[in-house]
This record gives sequence, structure tokens and C-alpha cells, in this order.
Amino acid sequence: NAGVTQTPKFQVLKTGQSMTLQCAQDMNHNSMYWYRQDPGMGLRLIYYSASEGTTDKGEVPNGYNVSRLNKREFSLRLESAAPSQTSVYFCASTPKGGVSYEQYFGPGTRLTVT
Amino acid sequence: EDKVVQSPLSLVVHEGDTVTLNCSYEVTNFRSLLWYKQEKKAPTFLFMLTSSGIEKKSGRLSSILDKKELFSILNITATQTGDSAIYLCAVEAYSGAGSYQLTFGKGTKLSVIP
Repeated sequence: NAGVTQTPKFQVLKTGQSMTLQCAQDMNHNSMYWYRQDPGMGLRLIYYSASEGTTDKGEVPNGYNVSRLNKREFSLRLESAAPSQTSVYFCASTPKGGVSYEQYFGPGTRLTVT
Repeated sequence: EDKVVQSPLSLVVHEGDTVTLNCSYEVTNFRSLLWYKQEKKAPTFLFMLTSSGIEKKSGRLSSILDKKELFSILNITATQTGDSAIYLCAVEAYSGAGSYQLTFGKGTKLSVIP
């Protein structure tokens, strides 16, 4: 099992460009999450998908969109990148929505917007 | 708004010292509290706590939850340089429609010097 994988690992964008961060898990987990981590800020939830076919906003959704393509994949899109979106982005998954399970994290994507 | 506060934000100790990390929270519909260790990349799971007063232990690490006073502590005894990391506290709460969310604290950066 690869666990949770993310692509790309690093990305530099210019202000106004768009891009999609990809996340996939091979653990048959129901719920998937996108977080961003800024220095001194901990992790903040952007969007989550409790199960295939559903998505909901988290704490900081503005400027982002998500797609739960199937049970395995959950992508995060920046339509018009801004310097404030410079951050490290983590995808995570849990086995079943609504149950207290640990979250399994991907390795992260370091995004810089200039 | 759910809130998780960790203290101290950073800590420097010598090898062999014992440290206590604190996490207090104010959340609606609390379900569980989780501790993660983050080194260079993604957070890795340490403990999940759901009941007050029951200590969870793993080697030199232990944690306990007080649901009345709304806090948790993470203890590390006989610290080693490999314990140097950011320790994240997160609280899981019910967010409606069968979904749960994690709210993270900002983390405690622990540095263990030889």
C-alpha cells in the first residue's frame, strides 16, 4: 500500500495562474481532507469529503475548489492563485466518516505563489 | 468557533529531561482529541483520547484527557534528540450531516539538545 499520495511535491506559480493538487489513497477510506499549514498556524481545514459524492467547506475554503472524483481521489484546485495561498498543503484520509479514526496524511505539497 | 490552544509554543530541553505539553480546547460537539508528531513532513499519529482520566501510553510518551476542564497533556520522559519535532493537538467535533472535522492547535515545537 502506498497510503496517501500527493502530486506535485513542489510547485511555483505566478499570481493569477491556476493549478490542481492531486491526492489519492489506496486504503479504501471513505473520508478525505485538504489542509494548509502556514508557519506558526498549525493545520487549517480547507475542504473535506465525508464520503464519495459529497464535499463540504472547512475553516478556510475561500479561493479553493475541490472534486471528489471517486473514492480514491480528492483534488484541490486553485483557480487564480494569490501570494496568500503560499503554504504547504496536506491531504488526509480516514476509514469512515463519522467515526473517530486517526487521519492518515500524505507527504504534502509545498506551493509558492509569486 | 472551535478553538484549540497549545502551550508552550516552543520548548528547548536537554536530553534526559521530562517535558509536559499542554492542549486546551473549546469546541461544540466534542468527540475526541488527537496528538500528532510532525518532523520534516506529514504529521504522524500518536494518540487518540475520548474518555477522561484514562492514560494512553506508548513507550516514553503518555497522554491524558480531562473533559471537565477541557484540556489534555502529553508527557515525554527521558527525552532524546529524536523527540525533536512539532507536536500537534487536534480536536475532533461533529460538524453536522454525519460529518466530523478536526481543529488543530498551532503546535508546540520541541527541541532536545544533547
